[in-house]
Amino acid sequence: GAVVSQHPSRVICKSGTSVKIECRSLDFQATTMFWYRQFPKQSLMLMATSNEGSKATYEQGVEKDKFLINHASLTLSTLTVTSAHPEDSSFYICSARDLYLGENTEAFFGQGTRLTVV
Amino acid sequence: QKEVEQNSGPLSVPEGAIASLNCTYSDRGSQSFFWYRQYSGKSPELIMSIYSNGDKEDGRFTAQLNKASQYVSLLIRDSQPSDSATYLCAVTDRGSTLGRLYFGRGTQLTVWP
Repeated sequence: GAVVSQHPSRVICKSGTSVKIECRSLDFQATTMFWYRQFPKQSLMLMATSNEGSKATYEQGVEKDKFLINHASLTLSTLTVTSAHPEDSSFYICSARDLYLGENTEAFFGQGTRLTVV
Repeated sequence: QKEVEQNSGPLSVPEGAIASLNCTYSDRGSQSFFWYRQYSGKSPELIMSIYSNGDKEDGRFTAQLNKASQYVSLLIRDSQPSDSATYLCAVTDRGSTLGRLYFGRGTQLTVWP
């Protein structure tokens, strides 16, 4: 399958600082990127969807000023957690699809980023 | 709100048995169907995709789709302990400009030796 590379895999930051997570599609065009968070033993929660060159569409209840998403190219999207607090500690996962190929295309996931805010 | 329902399990089968995972979805307009496997602490990985009614086989895995019943399943033959994971069912809908997937909550599978 296609490869999506997400970095960093693990990050610890101090409360009040910002953290940037990168998601790259290595061998295909990611027309659409999805950002999820997942708490232990819970299901994936979609935070936002971004299309290349457009503003991200956030799910209800997700603060767009806190979780900044940039999708400037067909191979790179970033999620910045601003002014992080301990309650933001979670597993963040990106996923990408190439919708230029049509609707019957798979979504591939990055390796995930485990964020711990202390 | 589009709903995707899976038996939460846990499902426990002995090594070598067939594991059967089921998924139903609410939107008749759903177009594409996927099964992902997620090991504890890891991100999901794609196992199977299926787009038309019937069966699709890939090694020990068989996906079955019945759009009339709004039902999709995954069979794992000759189950191995390494198959122990949470299996996520995902569907897309026709014409969605965002192209998002709707996930079930997952079925936890344990294969015991």
